[in-house]
Amino acid sequence: EAQVTQNPRYLITVTGKKLTVTCSQNMNHEYMSWYRQDPGLGLRQIYYSMNVEVTDKGDVPEGYKVSRKEKRNFPLILESPSPNQTSLYFCASRQTSEFGELFFGEGSRLTVL
Amino acid sequence: AQKVTQAQTEISVVEKEDVTLDCVYETRDTTYYLFWYKQPPSGELVFLIRRNSFDEQNEISGRYSWNFQKSTSSFNFTITASQVVDSAVYFCALSTRRGGNTPLVFGKGTRLSVIA
Repeated sequence: EAQVTQNPRYLITVTGKKLTVTCSQNMNHEYMSWYRQDPGLGLRQIYYSMNVEVTDKGDVPEGYKVSRKEKRNFPLILESPSPNQTSLYFCASRQTSEFGELFFGEGSRLTVL
Repeated sequence: AQKVTQAQTEISVVEKEDVTLDCVYETRDTTYYLFWYKQPPSGELVFLIRRNSFDEQNEISGRYSWNFQKSTSSFNFTITASQVVDSAVYFCALSTRRGGNTPLVFGKGTRLSVIA
């Protein structure tokens, strides 16, 4: 089954404790991206990657890092989480960087205390 | 700058009523794509439709229909004979080229509640 898998789905952590949200897709997609969803703000892009070792900032990259060492994986790293990073995070992928449909993961709800 | 406005924050209808969700977008690009996604209570994002800026034909898929009007920069979504399972948050999104990126710019969403 074609899918984008995120882990963990739910996490409660404390300020400053580094964490990684993993994302893996099995569709051989080149383009991957991270979004965060906040009440009243919709979804906003954090980072994107057009292919292996090619990553760049989206609209709200502060406080996040990403890496793309393999085509299928695109982890989101919070080096020193803060309460304002409490959010619902979505990983997404599509075949190219063009205007195709984005396939979203199920979301990871992160709470930073 | 690209922007999507969904003016209706919440809508509540009784089952079997028709309902239209409004979406107005802003862009100076001539090539762009518009999308609708559904987010049911379970939280995942479900793709509904994609429409490019050169195709103003309306689309119908079962009880769903979309009306794209470039003259008013709108891409409205109508659900005919609504059902309880249609209860969800619906997002309209715009995609344009920004350098090598084509991010989705989302509206804030409209929460639809269909009451039995």
